[in-house]
Amino acid sequence: RKEVEQDPGPFNVPEGATVAFNCTYSNSASQSFFWYRQDCRKEPKLLMSVYSSGNEDGRFTAQLNRASQYISLLIRDSKLSDSATYLCVVNKAGNTGKLIFGQGTTLQVKP
Amino acid sequence: EAQVTQNPRYLITVTGKKLTVTCSQNMNHEYMSWYRQDPGLGLRQIYYSMNVEVTDKGDVPEGYKVSRKEKRNFPLILESPSPNQTSLYFCASRSSGLYEQYFGPGTRLTVT
Repeated sequence: RKEVEQDPGPFNVPEGATVAFNCTYSNSASQSFFWYRQDCRKEPKLLMSVYSSGNEDGRFTAQLNRASQYISLLIRDSKLSDSATYLCVVNKAGNTGKLIFGQGTTLQVKP
Repeated sequence: EAQVTQNPRYLITVTGKKLTVTCSQNMNHEYMSWYRQDPGLGLRQIYYSMNVEVTDKGDVPEGYKVSRKEKRNFPLILESPSPNQTSLYFCASRSSGLYEQYFGPGTRLTVT
């Protein structure tokens, strides 16, 4: 089983739609969780950290469910510019600073 | 401007010809890493360094070497490249204690 698993998609949605991605992680001792965004052939960039209580940044909401070991990303009112690959990232428990990246979920927002 | 730079951005080479990909950051970060990204496999860590003269293997270190003689630089060395090292390579850095990583623009390497 992969340490971090994501549905690769692609998710094809119309502008204005709400879309949600899930990601599961295998190590219950992991403490830090993130969503990164990667545009085609570009470097990944931090989108948002994921906190235990859930957090929101504009149209983006991240949730953590420790009991089920998954994190989610919700995007409301999708824009064409949201088209990208979204990477779920989890720290490797017991190893300071090592991050495990999921393979990413691709989102295509259509006009 | 705070950034991570990599050179070259694109490289086509032949099997067995030693090459070095440079990485430099201007944020005084302690922690630096090299990743490779392949379709269906995501980002996999090759090597990382927690500070000057401190390096350790990541998940896929075979065929690669690194060095960290200065805090700002973390070159990736392929002593004898092979076609299975054809990939997109990213260097990244972060401050110790913080998990946000800053990535370089990537180096697309093709080994024929």
